[in-house]
Amino acid sequence: DAKTTQPPSMDCAEGRAANLPCNHSTISGNEYVYWYRQIHSQGPQYIIHGLKNNETNEMASLIITEDRKSSTLILPHATLRDTAVYYCIVRVRDDKIIFGKGTRLHILP
Amino acid sequence: DVKVTQSSRYLVKRTGEKVFLECVQDMDHENMFWYRQDPGLGLRLIYFSYDVKMKEKGDIPEGYSVSREKKERFSLILESASTNQTSMYLCASSSPLNLPGQGSYGYTFGSGTRLTVV
Repeated sequence: DAKTTQPPSMDCAEGRAANLPCNHSTISGNEYVYWYRQIHSQGPQYIIHGLKNNETNEMASLIITEDRKSSTLILPHATLRDTAVYYCIVRVRDDKIIFGKGTRLHILP
Repeated sequence: DVKVTQSSRYLVKRTGEKVFLECVQDMDHENMFWYRQDPGLGLRLIYFSYDVKMKEKGDIPEGYSVSREKKERFSLILESASTNQTSMYLCASSSPLNLPGQGSYGYTFGSGTRLTVV
């Protein structure tokens, strides 16, 4: 079973920041938080990952709480192309990925 | 760019046929994976491999087998296709190296093969 809890769906207005929450209250000290997204009819795409510190790349920012029991993926300026299912995954870095149901993000024009 | 190529985008096969789904990656990744994706069930891991000639069962291996004779190629085999194997099949690869655009052990997925068994 997936070790994360995500809302099944969210809406965000185009141009606004999309904040996608993820709960992982049973995370272990050596487990990373990974985010992937899947645009319709494509394979999932890696977005970002982190262990303890907040991370940022050209796609998104990842904010991990101090107790590491939850995190938030932030898409700073959402566009229609960000409409996708977003998966939050907790895993030891070299372990296989078990996908949960993810959050279906709708970007509204 | 890392590329994972699946040989067919769409495939239609008959019940009872032996079906081969091919996956090739061009970045010398050690790890390769096969998933299937079905509405309401999400992505489920079928088989994976951490090295040539090595294979491990995932969560739903029944009815499938795999072959990894070369590092770059991971084949999924349906020994006798059945209608309940109609699905989208996704192949992925990963590496322990910290690669730009995917991090370490990040997965790169192929575009998928939509298999219909009639």
